[in-house]
Amino acid sequence: GQQLNQSPQSMFIQEGEDVSMNCTSSSIFNTWLWYKQDPGEGPVLLIALYKAGELTSNGRLTAQFGITRKDSFLNISASIPSDVGIYFCAGGAGSYQLTFGKGTKLSVIP
Amino acid sequence: NAGVMQNPRHLVRRRGQEARLRCSPMKGHSHVYWYRQLPEEGLKFMVYLQKENIIDESGMPKERFSAEFPKEGPSILRIQQVVRGDSAAYFCASSPPGQGEGPQHFGDGTRLSIL
Repeated sequence: GQQLNQSPQSMFIQEGEDVSMNCTSSSIFNTWLWYKQDPGEGPVLLIALYKAGELTSNGRLTAQFGITRKDSFLNISASIPSDVGIYFCAGGAGSYQLTFGKGTKLSVIP
Repeated sequence: NAGVMQNPRHLVRRRGQEARLRCSPMKGHSHVYWYRQLPEEGLKFMVYLQKENIIDESGMPKERFSAEFPKEGPSILRIQQVVRGDSAAYFCASSPPGQGEGPQHFGDGTRLSIL
């Protein structure tokens, strides 16, 4: 089946720093989605991308759909303590099911 | 303004019992998806349903697992004769008609523990 490689697995950053994480795949995806999951809760949608090359922002978050359709990145600018959590990328390939990465665990040091 | 509602939030079963997990999609959403998450892992697709139809069950084990989304009422994920390996968090997601490929909105999950 399709697999997504998400990196880094975990990050420790100082409050105020910028963060970058990415997902790569050997397969092409038609949709890239980025979710954030807090402990004991479900994933919350942050950004959805539908076109190769698309760059979309949501507040301090910016995500891009790679030109090759095999990768995507998420940037968080000026991190704050509430950014702590696990960030997942997910790809859609036309079969309605999403393929998820294993997540990037973000810790923010005040 | 209700999101995807799942219940129960936590479920404890002994080996051999049945587990029933319920999911009510967001208002106006007619597509329901079930995913399973093990600790430290991403979500794995199990099944995609529309009202009274199973569209894709390729991620669901052939035995002991079944899912339904009746005309009235919530979607149900049913696990018969549970085993220890069924312990996981089970998430339901929904999407509106015509947006089968996302974005999918998730509930807060049911954490299933098998004793």
